[in-house]
Amino acid sequence: DGGITQSPKYLFRKEGQNVTLSCEQNLNHDAMYWYRQDPGQGLRLIYYSQIVNDFQKGDIAEGYSVSREKKESFPLTVTSAQKNPTAFYLCASSTQPTRNTEAFFGQGTRLTVV
Amino acid sequence: AQSVAQPEDQVNVAEGNPLTVKCTYSVSGNPYLFWYVQYPNRGLQFLLKYITGDNLVKGSYGFEAEFNKSQTSFHLKKPSALVSDSALYFCAGSSGSARQLTFGSGTQLTVLP
Repeated sequence: DGGITQSPKYLFRKEGQNVTLSCEQNLNHDAMYWYRQDPGQGLRLIYYSQIVNDFQKGDIAEGYSVSREKKESFPLTVTSAQKNPTAFYLCASSTQPTRNTEAFFGQGTRLTVV
Repeated sequence: AQSVAQPEDQVNVAEGNPLTVKCTYSVSGNPYLFWYVQYPNRGLQFLLKYITGDNLVKGSYGFEAEFNKSQTSFHLKKPSALVSDSALYFCAGSSGSARQLTFGSGTQLTVLP
């Protein structure tokens, strides 16, 4: 089955730790995205990548880092510099930058700071 | 800067009645508009999009949306609501000059049996 897979589904982080969220797609999509979802705030773009080995900051990139070494994979690292990381994180992909094409979303990772 | 607004946090409707979830947008240039639905603790699922052409767009699960340029709106509609339509709905927009989608804050739709 084609799709986009995020893991883990739930993740707990201690204060001061870095954690990495996985996102893999087998849709042969060029563009990939990371969003953060908080209650009542919709989705906010963290980072996006239009092609392998290239990525751009979104609206709330501070405290996050990404890599795009393979077309299929776009992992997100939440660093200790992110002061309020508890949120639901969504990865998405599309055939081209989502100006006029729909994005496909993973099932999300819920990150909680303990 | 582009923006998308969903003025209602919550919409309640009785099963069998028509439903409307509102969305207004502000983008430079021609807008590209999308509706997505999210069930609890899940990712977003694409419902429909307006790129160009007919102002009435039909999508998945019997949903449709009407693009109104003069009112800068893209309201989501369904003639007869189902309890299973209860979910969180997001409107999103972009344009030819934009580099990313902008999402609204979401509207929780509850269909009452």
